[in-house]
Amino acid sequence: DSGVTQTPKHLITATGQRVTLRCSPRSGDLSVYWYQQSLDQGLQFLIQYYNGEERAKGNILERFSAQQFPDLHSELNLSSLELGDSALYFCASSQGGHSSYEQYFGPGTRLTVT
Amino acid sequence: AQKVTQAQTEISVVEKEDVTLDCVYETRDTTYYLFWYKQPPSGELVFLIRRNSFDEQNEISGRYSWNFQKSTSSFNFTITASQVVDSAVYFCALSEARNYGQNFVFGPGTRLSVLP
Repeated sequence: DSGVTQTPKHLITATGQRVTLRCSPRSGDLSVYWYQQSLDQGLQFLIQYYNGEERAKGNILERFSAQQFPDLHSELNLSSLELGDSALYFCASSQGGHSSYEQYFGPGTRLTVT
Repeated sequence: AQKVTQAQTEISVVEKEDVTLDCVYETRDTTYYLFWYKQPPSGELVFLIRRNSFDEQNEISGRYSWNFQKSTSSFNFTITASQVVDSAVYFCALSEARNYGQNFVFGPGTRLSVLP
């Protein structure tokens, strides 16, 4: 158990809908990362937050947004969902915001868009 | 632009064999970090190792060892005396170190099957 929690575990929704994925980092970790893993795109870095502020952006679509709250939990919002958004979404946390810190991954949220 | 290549899509070995997973990267930065992650059939991602670009020393952790060669832009991973529990998808990743945060690029992964 990495100490990172993600809810929900599974999510099934229809095209055009909006969903919110939630991540709680390990106690003491200030940085949260979001990743998407799909069969055709592989594992992709989406976005990083550190202590409430956006730190780095990867291949995140404009339809997606994220935020980190004062209690350090983070939410990833996916809107106008398309079939291609079906994927496993991982959250990870680390103590600091720099690459030198080890990342701990949550179990993931499996999103299915029908 | 950054890129990570893992040319081996799938590898099958018999238990107790040694196996090497290849990773070749591209980056224009002089300061960067390389990582290996394991994703077992259960689906979670497990961090294995981080190496910065200034440290070319090889590392050994139990049956795992890593060979970092800047001259060939490679960061290969060897499992000695493989076991069935090593069966997983292994990802190599690259991160450029920047003051404002990091941006990770993952390779496509190598699926390792260790047969009893």
